[in-house]
Amino acid sequence: KQEVTQIPAALSVPEGENLVLNCSFTDSAIYNLQWFRQDPGKGLTSLLLIQSSQREQTSGRLNASLDKSSGRSTLYIAASQPGDSATYLCAVRNSGYSTLTFGKGTMLLVSP
Amino acid sequence: GAVVSQHPSRVICKSGTSVKIECRSLDFQATTMFWYRQFPKQSLMLMATSNEGSKATYEQGVEKDKFLINHASLTLSTLTVTSAHPEDSSFYICSAGQANTGELFFGEGSRLTVL
Repeated sequence: KQEVTQIPAALSVPEGENLVLNCSFTDSAIYNLQWFRQDPGKGLTSLLLIQSSQREQTSGRLNASLDKSSGRSTLYIAASQPGDSATYLCAVRNSGYSTLTFGKGTMLLVSP
Repeated sequence: GAVVSQHPSRVICKSGTSVKIECRSLDFQATTMFWYRQFPKQSLMLMATSNEGSKATYEQGVEKDKFLINHASLTLSTLTVTSAHPEDSSFYICSAGQANTGELFFGEGSRLTVL
């Protein structure tokens, strides 16, 4: 059974810092991996999707890497801003027909 | 990116009544949609997989007679919470996947409060 772990559970940084969020998963036979953002009381916004054959994806100030063999992914946020404050969720999909297995998330607070 | 819409975003109902939540994929067809429940400060818990034209597949511990799922078309799945009780109060979120990329998109969520 796939298990996803995210470290740290919470992170507080001053504005402008570069930061890394970590995600690990137990079953390396994944179909793809997604990083999401969730604001309080809201749904999930898909940030980046990495297919199992890819090593990284970039979108603006966000960069996500995938090391399937070691069961790890990182989300790098450059030049953090207060608007980045949210919970970041990592999730893996084991097949094209299955749903995602989620980590518990990292709650990020970026202070001005 | 693709859009998944949920309605209503908030609903308050009396104990014993039934509530229907709709999930629509607005710009793509989805043969499979997923329904989740999220408790405060917890991650998403998969409740069931909704399959167009067939019965939903429920996760262990989820009462299929309590949470009725219908996926009548390729763009619409509904979750009906029957005879709702206060312990059913939660945040319900649906998702649908794009077949070509395998990316899953999520609705905005529906906050259910049962008095």
